[in-house]
Amino acid sequence: DVVLTQTPVSLSVTLGDQASISCRSSQSLEYSDGYTYLEWYLQKPGQSPQLLIYEVSNRFSGVPDRFIGSGSGTDFTLKISRVEPEDLGVYYCFQATHDPLTFGSGTKLEIK
Amino acid sequence: EVQILETGGGLVKPGGSLRLSCATSGFNFNDYFMNWVRQAPGKGLEWVAQIRNKNYNYATYYAESLEGRVTISRDDSKSSVYLQVSSLRAEDTAIYYCTRSRDYWGQGVMVTVSS
Repeated sequence: DVVLTQTPVSLSVTLGDQASISCRSSQSLEYSDGYTYLEWYLQKPGQSPQLLIYEVSNRFSGVPDRFIGSGSGTDFTLKISRVEPEDLGVYYCFQATHDPLTFGSGTKLEIK
Repeated sequence: EVQILETGGGLVKPGGSLRLSCATSGFNFNDYFMNWVRQAPGKGLEWVAQIRNKNYNYATYYAESLEGRVTISRDDSKSSVYLQVSSLRAEDTAIYYCTRSRDYWGQGVMVTVSS
């Protein structure tokens, strides 16, 4: 199975500052069709997860442009510029390139 | 408006079985892959199963940790997807979420496996 390693495990950020989360894959996530099926999710406290980013860098409908996904191959990053109170929660990366599909273990974002 | 509603959760004894249902509306169900994802209490997300649409021959995929005990199915005429889980164990205790290609998620349904 593809293992996604997220770092850090937790992150405490001052409002207005930038946060950065890394997701490293045990295998390349580039599929044979040329696409890379790496996604980012945010699960706010007490809520269902919500899709933020798909195919590495595409923001889902309604996601603020403060959320920026980047990377290729096995190394991916989610940057959140100008962190706001509603950004707190647990962030997960997810790969849909290889079967079985897998999630990272999560990064908890706290506001200082 | 996309709506996804899971039902069928509850308390089940170890060794028992359960069928979860996911009713959807607000989009053309036939066009989408559907997934189940679960989350044990206080833990992270775990992908469980996917069923593709007719164009992909309704192909199914499963997490290895559950393979052999779980079956995903769909009824396009009812815009619904199902998850049958058998030989339930305490570690299957979790909130089970139904998702449309992972872009829209239901609120989840709790399954508790306990004697």
